Amino acid sequence: AQSVSQHNHHVILSEAASLELGCNYSYGGTVNLFWYVQYPGQHLQLLLKYFSGDPLVKGIKGFEAEFIKSKFSFNLRKPSVQWSDTAEYFCAVNPLMDSSYKLIFGSGTRLLVRP
Amino acid sequence: EAQVTQNPRYLITVTGKKLTVTCSQNMNHEYMSWYRQDPGLGLRQIYYSMNVEVTDKGDVPEGYKVSRKEKRNFPLILESPSPNQTSLYFCASSLYGEQYFGPGTRLTVT
Repeated sequence: AQSVSQHNHHVILSEAASLELGCNYSYGGTVNLFWYVQYPGQHLQLLLKYFSGDPLVKGIKGFEAEFIKSKFSFNLRKPSVQWSDTAEYFCAVNPLMDSSYKLIFGSGTRLLVRP
Repeated sequence: EAQVTQNPRYLITVTGKKLTVTCSQNMNHEYMSWYRQDPGLGLRQIYYSMNVEVTDKGDVPEGYKVSRKEKRNFPLILESPSPNQTSLYFCASSLYGEQYFGPGTRLTVT
């Protein structure tokens, strides 16, 4: 069965530190890839997405992610985090095996940024 | 404003009392789905719908029903809720794979 692994469940950083959150998936076919963010008490919002083309994608709020097909990875990065980035981050994969838009989510990474 | 709405946002109920959580989108999306979010498990798909009158099970469909009589609405029905259905529920609609999420419904079953 397809699955998505997020290796870090909790991350604590100081403001201005760099961030990298890991995401690996298990599916050998073509995929669409997403990172969503959930701020405390809010719904999920799309940070960035990869469908095809340049494997380095840029999203909102200074986030970027790199798709490495050979490693089945889609890691999220930000050069300098802010206190307002405190949130839970979810990696999600849409395996393009049928016409379904089903998303398979990782278990999430809680990020706490200390001022 | 393009959005997905859910009602109610919070619900406390007792075991066995049927309930419905409504979901509506104004973006004319064909695809809609329901997820539940539990700590440490991320979001898991309950049911999805590719279009009107077309629904299918997701990964955790037991204890839930859905219907899709109109394109904009996709209600989630719990015929006989149980405590293990206590969770945070999200409805989503999708265009070309990018999913737009509703604000969530926090359900507690006692």
